[in-house]
Amino acid sequence: AQTVTQSQPEMSVQEAETVTLSCTYDTSESDYYLFWYKQPPSRQMILVIRQEAYKQQNATENRFSVNFQKAAKSFSLKISDSQLGDAAMYFCAYRSWEGGTASKLTFGTGTRLQVTL
Amino acid sequence: ETGVTQTPRHLVMGMTNKKSLKCEQHLGHNAMYWYKQSAKKPLELMFVYSLEERVENNSVPSRFSPECPNSSHLFLHLHTLQPEDSALYLCASSQDWRTGYGYTFGSGTRLTVV
Repeated sequence: AQTVTQSQPEMSVQEAETVTLSCTYDTSESDYYLFWYKQPPSRQMILVIRQEAYKQQNATENRFSVNFQKAAKSFSLKISDSQLGDAAMYFCAYRSWEGGTASKLTFGTGTRLQVTL
Repeated sequence: ETGVTQTPRHLVMGMTNKKSLKCEQHLGHNAMYWYKQSAKKPLELMFVYSLEERVENNSVPSRFSPECPNSSHLFLHLHTLQPEDSALYLCASSQDWRTGYGYTFGSGTRLTVV
């Protein structure tokens, strides 16, 4: 079974600075998807960024980018120019590529990000 | 509006009560899910429905009973719950359960069992 580990329960960053959230995972599969979700106080889980494991190029979405190290099974999220609205819980998630129960998302325990002035 | 609506937003119930959580989506998705989010634990998948048919049940106690009358609505019926069932229950939908593309979550129901 796949597992996702987020070793940083809490992180803090100053506004306009850059912060990196860590995620490691364990799988025996070669093809899969990785995601970062953001959960603000509104509680809705919002997709931040997505990476296909077969792609070597790291995904980017505006101020959000990932450092995907497949061999190391590492998938960190970098937030540049942090804004107050970035404060939230961030969850790393894994999904298998194959069919069947492929749509199951396996989540980490989350990292709470605080953004200070 | 997120596209996936959950009601009620908060629920407090006694251990002998029976209540239901409701989830509704009008995104045209054909797969719907229930997840349980407890403090300091990873989200746990409870049930998966595809086109109103249950396709996965992750060893969830029988005191949780899902119902999917159509592809737009999903219910979670609760009875004789335990205090450890207190959690945030999230509903999600996706385009197709085999691909999981376009996962959309609701804002959850915060359940407290007293």
